[in-house]
Amino acid sequence: DTGVSQDPRHKITKRGQNVTFRCDPISEHNRLYWYRQTLGQGPEFLTYFQNEAQLEKSRLLSDRFSAERPKGSFSTLEIQRTEQGDSAMYLCASSYKLASGEQFFGPGTRLTVL
Amino acid sequence: DQQVKQNSPSLSVQEGRISILNCDYTNSMFDYFLWYKKYPAEGPTFLISISSIKDKNEDGRFTVFLNKSAKHLSLHIVPSQPGDSAVYFCAASAGGGADGLTFGKGTHLIIQP
Repeated sequence: DTGVSQDPRHKITKRGQNVTFRCDPISEHNRLYWYRQTLGQGPEFLTYFQNEAQLEKSRLLSDRFSAERPKGSFSTLEIQRTEQGDSAMYLCASSYKLASGEQFFGPGTRLTVL
Repeated sequence: DQQVKQNSPSLSVQEGRISILNCDYTNSMFDYFLWYKKYPAEGPTFLISISSIKDKNEDGRFTVFLNKSAKHLSLHIVPSQPGDSAVYFCAASAGGGADGLTFGKGTHLIIQP
């Protein structure tokens, strides 16, 4: 399978705990995006990387959130001191062709904060 | 404020007929538009896109129309098939498709036999 993969698929945690999600993009893609989706809403952009450089961060990305993409391959999204409002589906996407712009999404990580 | 709006939360269409999903946007800087399809418990799947320099793009049963003066785009699916039942998201970008996408809330399309 050469699509975008995310791990874990589901995460249940207690309020105040830290969580980390991983995304493996399609191998030749140099851009990687993180989105968050809550019930009844479309995905909301959080941040994106071109290779290892983080180029844009949404104002939704509070100080408790941090994303990295070491070596321009996989990426991690960490949420510190989780709150119940962080419960959502976290989606990762990747793209390569600048001209066409299609972003290919992974299956997502469902986070539940108790 | 919602920069991309899909005003129909759901749409029911008979199998074999045309499905038309609508999307409006407010940001004049958007120059690239996409439609995604989503099944439960899966990530969105790319369907079709259109650049602001075009007014129509076609791919098989799917056609996207863009009316820049009205800031409106639509997705036509013809003929509609049972497998088309899903949530459809309209998305837009201001960076030619390279930047983060702004999504609408989605329209749940139900194809009835």
